[in-house]
Amino acid sequence: GAVVSQHPSRVICKSGTSVKIECRSLDFQATTMFWYRQFPKKSLMLMATSNEGSKATYEQGVEKDKFLINHASLTLSTLTVTSAHPEDSSFYICSARDLTGSSNQPQHFGDGTRLSIL
Amino acid sequence: QKEVEQNSGPLSVPEGAIASLNCTYSDRGSQSFFWYRQYSGKSPELIMSIYSNGDKEDGRFTAQLNKASQYVSLLIRDSQPSDSATYLCAVNFPLTLSGGYNKLIFGAGTRLAVHP
Repeated sequence: GAVVSQHPSRVICKSGTSVKIECRSLDFQATTMFWYRQFPKKSLMLMATSNEGSKATYEQGVEKDKFLINHASLTLSTLTVTSAHPEDSSFYICSARDLTGSSNQPQHFGDGTRLSIL
Repeated sequence: QKEVEQNSGPLSVPEGAIASLNCTYSDRGSQSFFWYRQYSGKSPELIMSIYSNGDKEDGRFTAQLNKASQYVSLLIRDSQPSDSATYLCAVNFPLTLSGGYNKLIFGAGTRLAVHP
C-alpha cells in the first residue's frame, strides 16, 4: 500500500520551457502533498505544501509564480516549473500522506523527476 | 530554526558489522521521527518510523529514540553491501510551530558504505 506515482521521471528541455510534473497517490487519498527539490549531494528541501482545494503554502525563498502548484483532487497534485532556466535543473520529488492516518504518519515518496534545462 | 543534524559520513563498515547512524533535532515538541534510505539517483524509501522513547526493531533495523536528549539513531545489524546508501533522518515538526502545517524536516543524510 501507500504508493505514490510521479511522472515524468526525466525531462530534458530548452531554457524558457514550462514543465509540468504530476504526483498521484494510487491507493490512498491525500489531502496534503509535498513538493521537494534536491540538488546533487544535498538533502531534500521542502518547496511547498500542496493542499487539496486550496492554495499551496510555499517555503521561504520559493517563488510561487515560478513554481505553480495545483491540487485539484485527493489523489493528484501537479507542479509546473514556468519558464525554466538552467538553474532550475534539479531532482524534484513529491510525497503524500494518507488522509486516514494521523498527521504524524510518514510521508510516502514518488520516484522523483530529474529535470535538466539546457 | 528547525534543524535536524546528521554526520555526512561516509561511514564505512565491513560486511556483517553493525552500522550506527545518529541524528539530533532542535525542537523538543517533535513527536514523530523517520529514517529513510536513499540510493543514488533515487527517491527516499521509508525504513523505520518511531514515536516513543526506547527501541523499535524491524528485521535487521533498530531505531532508538531519546526525546530528553533530542536524539534518534538507526542501527543496522549484519550490514550488507546492498545497505550502502544515504540514510536520511526526518523529523515531523509540530503543527503549532510550523505555521499551520506539519512539516517533515530532513537532515543532510549520512552516507553508508558497506564493504565486502
